[in-house]
Amino acid sequence: QKEVEQDPGPLSVPEGAIVSLNCTYSNSAFQYFMWYRQYSRKGPELLMYTYSSGNKEDGRFTAQVDKSSKYISLFIRDSQPSDSATYLCAITYSSASKIIFGSGTRLSIRP
Amino acid sequence: DVKVTQSSRYLVKRTGEKVFLECVQDMDHENMFWYRQDPGLGLRLIYFSYDVKMKEKGDIPEGYSVSREKKERFSLILESASTNQTSMYLCASHYRGNNQPQHFGDGTRLSIL
Repeated sequence: QKEVEQDPGPLSVPEGAIVSLNCTYSNSAFQYFMWYRQYSRKGPELLMYTYSSGNKEDGRFTAQVDKSSKYISLFIRDSQPSDSATYLCAITYSSASKIIFGSGTRLSIRP
Repeated sequence: DVKVTQSSRYLVKRTGEKVFLECVQDMDHENMFWYRQDPGLGLRLIYFSYDVKMKEKGDIPEGYSVSREKKERFSLILESASTNQTSMYLCASHYRGNNQPQHFGDGTRLSIL
């Protein structure tokens, strides 16, 4: 079983829709959760960084962590064509020297 | 803003060649990483380094080596390139300490013919 699972998509939604991107993980020791956005032919860039369960909001983006279910989500409100990218979840724990990445979900926002 | 620069965006090499991929960061980060990214497989860690002249194997180190002679520079070396090493290679860095988010370069798309 992979340590983190992410639906690869592709996911295509109309402009203005609410997008939900999800990952599940297997190890309850994971404490730190990140979302990266990767545009085509570019490196991943950090979008959200959270610790512990709950929600964290940044503009149109909300990261949600449910540790009891080992489930993390990224919501994008009022989606824009410029949000079209691959989104990677990433997780780690306090004594870890490396981050575990999901395989990424490819998102396309239709104008 | 953190800047992680990879020396080449695209590179084409032949089987058996020795290939060097260079990465430089300008934020005095202690930790640096090399990944390869393949469709359906996500990011896989090749090697990482905590400090100058320090290196640790990642999940897929076979066929690769690294060099960290200066704090800002981390080089990935393909000792004898093979076609199965055709991939996107990404360099990342962060400050000392665990659970720090990583900052990535824009990648080198390497083709081995």
